[in-house]
Amino acid sequence: NAGVTQTPKFRILKIGQSMTLQCTQDMNHNYMYWYRQDPGMGLKLIYYSVGAGITDKGEVPNGYNVSRSTTEDFPLRLELAAPSQTSVYFCASRAVAGGLSYEQYFGPGTRLTVT
Amino acid sequence: DAKTTQPPSMDCAEGRAANLPCNHSTISGNEYVYWYRQIHSQGPQYIIHGLKNNETNEMASLIITEDRKSSTLILPHATLRDTAVYYCIVLKAAGNKLTFGGGTRVLVKP
Repeated sequence: NAGVTQTPKFRILKIGQSMTLQCTQDMNHNYMYWYRQDPGMGLKLIYYSVGAGITDKGEVPNGYNVSRSTTEDFPLRLELAAPSQTSVYFCASRAVAGGLSYEQYFGPGTRLTVT
Repeated sequence: DAKTTQPPSMDCAEGRAANLPCNHSTISGNEYVYWYRQIHSQGPQYIIHGLKNNETNEMASLIITEDRKSSTLILPHATLRDTAVYYCIVLKAAGNKLTFGGGTRVLVKP
């Protein structure tokens, strides 16, 4: 298993540009997440999904959109990039089934700079 | 989900046990205690989780008090590679969201 993969690893955007951060997991996990981590700070939840076709907002959803058309993929869309969106973005996935909870796996991150 | 309180930082000598405390006094009966760590610039890594019994795996041991209001993560023989931020998180089994607080920054010194 490759686990959770994210592309790209690095990206520089100009203010006002748009982009999609890709996230794929091959573990058949039903839950998927997007977090951002600003320098020296903890992780903040942007959006999450409990299954294909179902998404919900986290703590800091403004300026982002997500979709979940398949179990494997959970892309994060940035529209009209702003300097405040400069951050490291982590995607994660987790299996939740039968009343049991399992560990959450994280991808390696995408480092985004908006100038 | 219950909130957690951890010391902001601690040092540990290489080769010695590192004991990381976590308070979760408002934990409810169906909430698990999870521990994750984040080594510089990498994605967080799962360490261990438990409900009320003590747990051990190849990475660490988790000791949960009988009243479940606090827990301790034990790294039995800390190495320099264990230098990281350690997060204690409380979550229901089918809880949707892992919420990361400030964590404890652990520095393992030679």
